[in-house]
Amino acid sequence: DAGITQSPRYKITETGRQVTLMCHQTWSHSYMFWYRQDLGHGLRLIYYSAAADITDKGEVPDGYVVSRSKTENFPLTLESATRSQTSVYFCASRERGNTEAFFGQGTRLTVV
Amino acid sequence: GENVEQHPSTLSVQEGDSAVIKCTYSDSASNYFPWYKQELGKRPQLIIDIRSNVGEKKDQRIAVTLNKTAKHFSLHITETQPEDSAVYFCAVERAGGRQLTFGSGTQLTVLP
Repeated sequence: DAGITQSPRYKITETGRQVTLMCHQTWSHSYMFWYRQDLGHGLRLIYYSAAADITDKGEVPDGYVVSRSKTENFPLTLESATRSQTSVYFCASRERGNTEAFFGQGTRLTVV
Repeated sequence: GENVEQHPSTLSVQEGDSAVIKCTYSDSASNYFPWYKQELGKRPQLIIDIRSNVGEKKDQRIAVTLNKTAKHFSLHITETQPEDSAVYFCAVERAGGRQLTFGSGTQLTVLP
């Protein structure tokens, strides 16, 4: 199916563990984004990518790592998870600036 | 960086009444202003957007107005229905920008 998908949908991990959230889009959009959603904070940008092998920090990048070796994939890694990283994570993609962003279904991550 | 403030954070209206949500922004170079709707447990989805060369845009019961001088824009929903209950996010992007900056969201509840 065409679209943008995230996996897993739900994840529980322990403090200090490494965890990777996956994001895959089938539109060949140039831009991809990772946001976290916390109550009262809306959607905060973690990292984004303008093309394969080009990534840049957003508003809240500390504790996260991204890569983009292929246009369609944009994984987000928490190298050593902390409880403050408990959140809902959304991946999004768009073709270029000033256009609609399409969001994945979200991943609910709990760090215990 | 861009600062986007969204008010109110919660809004309750009677079915059939109108709802208005307002956002202010700080970067005068911003020129793209979308609104996203997020139903409970779902992904955010674009409902309407406006660019800085127009002052108002309508789509059936939804309208967005933009005041570039005052740096604010608003979402207007008329004849509200229970299915309008959701969280609404405004967002802002500058010309040629690569990333959207989101407001903190408004929980709209339409009471039957």
